[in-house]
Amino acid sequence: SQTIHQWPATLVQPVGSPLSLECTVEGTSNPNLYWYRQAAGRGLQLLFYSVGIGQISSEVPQNLSASRPQDRQFILSSKKLLLSDSGFYLCAWSVFGTGGNVLTFGAGSRLTVL
Amino acid sequence: GENVEQHSSTLSVQEGDSAVIKCTYSDSASNYFPWYKQELGKGPQLIIDIRSNVGEKKDQRIAVTLNKTAKHFSLHITETQPEDSAVYFCAASIGNAGNMLTFGGGTRLMVKP
Repeated sequence: SQTIHQWPATLVQPVGSPLSLECTVEGTSNPNLYWYRQAAGRGLQLLFYSVGIGQISSEVPQNLSASRPQDRQFILSSKKLLLSDSGFYLCAWSVFGTGGNVLTFGAGSRLTVL
Repeated sequence: GENVEQHSSTLSVQEGDSAVIKCTYSDSASNYFPWYKQELGKGPQLIIDIRSNVGEKKDQRIAVTLNKTAKHFSLHITETQPEDSAVYFCAASIGNAGNMLTFGGGTRLMVKP
């Protein structure tokens, strides 16, 4: 069966520090991978998605970047965090061509920037 | 592009009553409509979905209805229980167009014991 792992689960970082959140998927090949952000009490904002290794599409211009060094690995990064980067970050995957866009989310990473 | 609206940001019901959460979408080409449940501090989990070739789908206490003409779809939860309390997200997409879901803003359901 497919599983998705996301870490760290919780992170407290000072303003101006770097960020790295990692996501890996097991049990599937060539998944579409996604990073979403959820501000407190708000909806889901798509940040990045990837259809293959090294292929990244950005939905919202911002202080963050994403990379996909391996088929089932997706990394969210920042060189210098801002207060506004605080939020709940969710990695998700789906498989293209199933006839439906079934997204499966990870457990999330809660980032607090102080 | 697609725009999905959830009509209520919060909904409060008494335990045992039914709850209905409504969403509207803008793109008539959308043909896949999932619902996600997000419990506090966790990632959203798919609870039910419907494709545009059917008007209703049911799974135990939850059901989803779709009105393609009016471009709206609803989540129905019967005999609500305290563990149904969560944030529910609706979404829409075109099934063969690259897996991009557009989410609604979420509805916080509170089931009072």
